[in-house]
Amino acid sequence: AQTVTQSQPEMSVQEAETVTLSCTYDTSESNYYLFWYKQPPSRQMILVIRQEAYKQQNATENRFSVNFQKAAKSFSLKISDSQLGDTAMYFCAFMKRKTSYDKVIFGPGTSLSVIP
Amino acid sequence: ETGVTQSPTHLIKTRGQQVTLRCSSQSGHNTVSWYQQALGQGPQFIFQYYREEENGRGNFPPRFSGLQFPNYSSELNVNALELDDSALYLCASKLGGTGLNEQFFGPGTRLTVL
Repeated sequence: AQTVTQSQPEMSVQEAETVTLSCTYDTSESNYYLFWYKQPPSRQMILVIRQEAYKQQNATENRFSVNFQKAAKSFSLKISDSQLGDTAMYFCAFMKRKTSYDKVIFGPGTSLSVIP
Repeated sequence: ETGVTQSPTHLIKTRGQQVTLRCSSQSGHNTVSWYQQALGQGPQFIFQYYREEENGRGNFPPRFSGLQFPNYSSELNVNALELDDSALYLCASKLGGTGLNEQFFGPGTRLTVL
C-alpha cells in the first residue's frame, strides 16, 4: 500500500521569503503521479503543481517548484516570494498511473502561515 | 472557484441516522470522486463514479454508497451514522475516466454526528 508522509505539521514564513515544504512517500510502483494541493481557509482544494514520475525534470508553476528525488521517494515544494494568499494547508498526494480509477492518496498536510 | 458545488454546507445528524450529500460537477465532467476529510487530516478516497457506474472504492464500509445521475451530478449516502463519520466530505469532478485530467474539488459539506 502507498503512504504519504509530511513531517512538518506547521510552518511559517515571512512575506516575500522562500519556504520549502517536505514530503516523502512509500510505494513499490514505478509509474505514478505526485501532486501538491492547497486548501485555503475557505476549504476549496486546488491543485498547485503536479509531477509525473517518469519525467526527471522538476515541475515549476510560476512561484512554485518541486524537488523530485525518485530514488529517495522525496517530493518537496518550494514557494518563492511568499504572499499572504499562500496561507493555507498544503497536502502532498500520490496517485498510481494507468489504473481503472483515480485513487489519490493524501498526506496529513502542512499548515503554512505567511507573516506580513 | 472551481465550478463544483456541494450542498448542504453544514449538516448535523444523530448517531444511527442516514444522510445524503449532493455534488454538482463542473460542466462536461463525467467523473466524480468523493473524499472524507477528518479534522486535522488529509482527505481519504471513498469511491469514484464514471458515467453513472462506480468504478473504484477505497476502504469504506458498504453503508457508504453513492449515485451518479445522467447529468453527472452525484450523491453520497451514509447509513447508520457513527460518531467517527463526523468530517468534511469533498467531491471532485474531472473529464474522462482515468488519467491526468485535473480533478476540481468542491467546497465540501461539514457533517457533524452527535
